[in-house]
Amino acid sequence: TQLLEQSPQFLSIQEGENLTVYCNSSSVFSSLQWYRQEPGEGPVLLVTVVTGGEVKKLKRLTFQFGDARKDSSLHITAAQPGDTGLYLCAGARADKLIFGTGTRLQVFP
Amino acid sequence: DVKVTQSSRYLVKRTGEKVFLECVQDMDHENMFWYRQDPGLGLRLIYFSYDVKMKEKGDIPEGYSVSREKKERFSLILESASTNQTSMYLCASSARGPQHFGDGTRLSIL
Repeated sequence: TQLLEQSPQFLSIQEGENLTVYCNSSSVFSSLQWYRQEPGEGPVLLVTVVTGGEVKKLKRLTFQFGDARKDSSLHITAAQPGDTGLYLCAGARADKLIFGTGTRLQVFP
Repeated sequence: DVKVTQSSRYLVKRTGEKVFLECVQDMDHENMFWYRQDPGLGLRLIYFSYDVKMKEKGDIPEGYSVSREKKERFSLILESASTNQTSMYLCASSARGPQHFGDGTRLSIL
């Protein structure tokens, strides 16, 4: 059973566009992490959100944790080709992570 | 920087073979994890370990076993490889915070 659903699964956009990726669950998590994975490499942590309603910004990336700590979103402003990759959300439960299904983003110049 | 090293980037084995995937981390992390990654399914946890000689089943342990004889090394073993175990395998380690991943082993079982 997949506890974390991400949408959309695939996204192809032009450079300069904005986008939002969603990560939804019916379960509560103690924290939620977002990773980016590039081809041939392992996932790399972007951010951890801990408090319900928390918003964190990382340059052009804005991450939000839902008030009930069941969902999260990632918004990218003015996407660039360097943002291309697989974005994974992961909910923390005890010392384990439950990973989302992933969103593959392609940004064309 | 944390370094998690997986012994092979690509591996091709035959059905029925015993396969060993090795993972070494250099940050003295207590926790180590093995995942498999398949398109549309994200990362699924196979086994994890919180300490030397300790192991816990993850969500999909069937057909796999693990070994952790030293703190820095966590091995994944496919006892008798089958074609449905063709996948990308990722190892990770952590202390109390985020997990740090290796670059993965793409395993093909023919």
